[in-house]
Amino acid sequence: QSVLTQPPSVSGAPGQRVTISCTGSSSNIGAGYDVHWYQQLPGTAPKLLIYGNSNRPSGVPDRISGSKSGTTASLAITGLQAEDDADYYCQSYDNTLSGYVFGTGTKVTVL
Amino acid sequence: QITLKESGPTLVKPTQTLTLTCTFSGFSVSTSGVGVGWIRQPPGKALEWLALIFWDDDKRYSSSLKSRLTITKDTSRNQVVLTMTSMDPADTATYYCAHTKFGELRFASWGQGTLVTVSS
Repeated sequence: QSVLTQPPSVSGAPGQRVTISCTGSSSNIGAGYDVHWYQQLPGTAPKLLIYGNSNRPSGVPDRISGSKSGTTASLAITGLQAEDDADYYCQSYDNTLSGYVFGTGTKVTVL
Repeated sequence: QITLKESGPTLVKPTQTLTLTCTFSGFSVSTSGVGVGWIRQPPGKALEWLALIFWDDDKRYSSSLKSRLTITKDTSRNQVVLTMTSMDPADTATYYCAHTKFGELRFASWGQGTLVTVSS
């Protein structure tokens, strides 16, 4: 049902860098709508991690970054830490559906 | 500080109507630009946006669920209510409400969520 596609899982050792892609289409990301990212720790509500493609809310460390190009957005986490072990979701707006759309979600595992 | 909290039944039977209430503080849904949305997450699955209401009573619904959803607001009680008709076991999920602002197209603050199970 999700119109934004993410890899199911990525993993890395502490200190390493991981990236998560979010692939959309010409009716959402490719139409110029911003992409936002959420982190969901086990058993908790999602938390806004990146907004407007690349902006961090206060309190989010600068080792977390976002970017967007064409119909794809990416989230990068450098200096991977145990606390980054969580699910991550991208989100945008779709003008064909006239609604908010989420990604399929990516599980980040810190080895 | 913005806080939101969802409330409602934890168990509903198939074909019944679900009514969920989002009670919030730290903002008013009568303030220009403010909105409250509902998002759900089936166990082990992805997030799905359901509905949204803005300060001016503008209402938006998921195209796939529009016929089953109604969203309303009670400004005096700082509450937003979502009703979903014809509940099915596939609607079993954690339901979240969240704060947004017109034009931002994102959800900055979320409630803790409430798990609703649909079963006979």
